[in-house]
Amino acid sequence: DVKVTQSSRYLVKRTGEKVFLECVQDMDHENMFWYRQDPGLGLRLIYFSYDVKMKEKGDIPEGYSVSREKKERFSLILESASTNQTSMYLCASSPTVPNTGELFFGEGSRLTVL
Amino acid sequence: AQSVTQLGSHVSVSEGALVLLRCNYSSSVPPYLFWYVQYPNQGLQLLLKYTSAATLVKGINGFEAEFKKSETSFHLTKPSAHMSDAAEYFCAVSRAGANSKLTFGKGITLSVRP
Repeated sequence: DVKVTQSSRYLVKRTGEKVFLECVQDMDHENMFWYRQDPGLGLRLIYFSYDVKMKEKGDIPEGYSVSREKKERFSLILESASTNQTSMYLCASSPTVPNTGELFFGEGSRLTVL
Repeated sequence: AQSVTQLGSHVSVSEGALVLLRCNYSSSVPPYLFWYVQYPNQGLQLLLKYTSAATLVKGINGFEAEFKKSETSFHLTKPSAHMSDAAEYFCAVSRAGANSKLTFGKGITLSVRP
């Protein structure tokens, strides 16, 4: 089975702190994604990556950056956390072949910024 | 462009009753369609998918969905609800091609009454 592992299930940070959310997948998928999920807004795409050292902005990239130094690892960085970044963050991966867009999700990281 | 509409945010059924969760999509090319389920404080899990084979798709936990091109719909059904079906359900659409990406609906919360 595909496994996508997010390093922290629950985090509490203070305003202005730098926050790292780590995601690792073990199925050699080329594509990786970061979403945030908020009540009533569904899933919104923050950043995605189709290859190592490659990244593209999603729908809501402001206030976030990403890093993909290795194929299996995709990190989301909040340079200076703010209270409006309190949310559930979901990492996902997908293969290029077959190319259906199907995503495999991690368990999520619930971030609270005080 | 592609989009998904899930009307309403909450559906409540009695245990043993029919579950029907509606999904309508918009896509300029033949779509791939997905239903995901999310239990509290967990990531999303694939329930079933349509990738241009049979129009009636069977998934896990007794769920199924029918692709109806004429109605641009992909409604999710289960003949008899169980308490364990209480969760949030997301419909999503993508299309074939390089770097295919999923577009999600806003999700529907299913409650099951004893």
